[in-house]
Amino acid sequence: EAQVTQNPRYLITVTGKKLTVTCSQNMNHEYMSWYRQDPGLGLRQIYYSMNVEVTDKGDVPEGYKVSRKEKRNFPLILESPSPNQTSLYFCASRGGIDNQPQHFGDGTRLSIL
Amino acid sequence: DQQVKQNSPSLSVQEGRISILNCDYTNSMFDYFLWYKKYPAEGPTFLISISSIKDKNEDGRFTVFLNKSAKHLSLHIVPSQPGDSAVYFCVAGGTSYGKLTFGQGTILTVHP
Repeated sequence: EAQVTQNPRYLITVTGKKLTVTCSQNMNHEYMSWYRQDPGLGLRQIYYSMNVEVTDKGDVPEGYKVSRKEKRNFPLILESPSPNQTSLYFCASRGGIDNQPQHFGDGTRLSIL
Repeated sequence: DQQVKQNSPSLSVQEGRISILNCDYTNSMFDYFLWYKKYPAEGPTFLISISSIKDKNEDGRFTVFLNKSAKHLSLHIVPSQPGDSAVYFCVAGGTSYGKLTFGQGTILTVHP
């Protein structure tokens, strides 16, 4: 089954404690992306990757890092989380052909205290 | 600066009637538009898309209309069904399709 898998699904942690949210896809997709969803703001793109070792900033990259060392994985790293990063996070992927729709994971709810 | 706007936070429709969800955008570089549907506790799922070279795209009960001069698009669902109740996001992208911009979402409720 084609899937985008995020882990963990839920996390409560404290300010400053580094955390990583993993994202894995089994569709051999070139493109992957991270979004955060906040009330009244829809989804906002954090970072995206067009292929292995190719990443670029989205609209709200501050406070986040990503890496794309292999095609299937695209982890989101919060080096020093702060309360304003409390949000619902989604990872997505799509194939390399332009204008193909993205497949989304089921989300990770992060609470930073 | 919200480049993609869905000005109606919610919409309530009777089953069998037409649902019309609207979206406005400001960036004339956008040339590809999509609608996604989202249920609670799930990720968004793709519904329908339209390229800027078209003004209409249809898929079953779903039709998207694009008015480039007005920078406006709309999603029509007819007939509406209770299972269509969800949050609908309007999404816009540029030619490279690397960066996507989402609207705030519209909560559609279809009453039996």
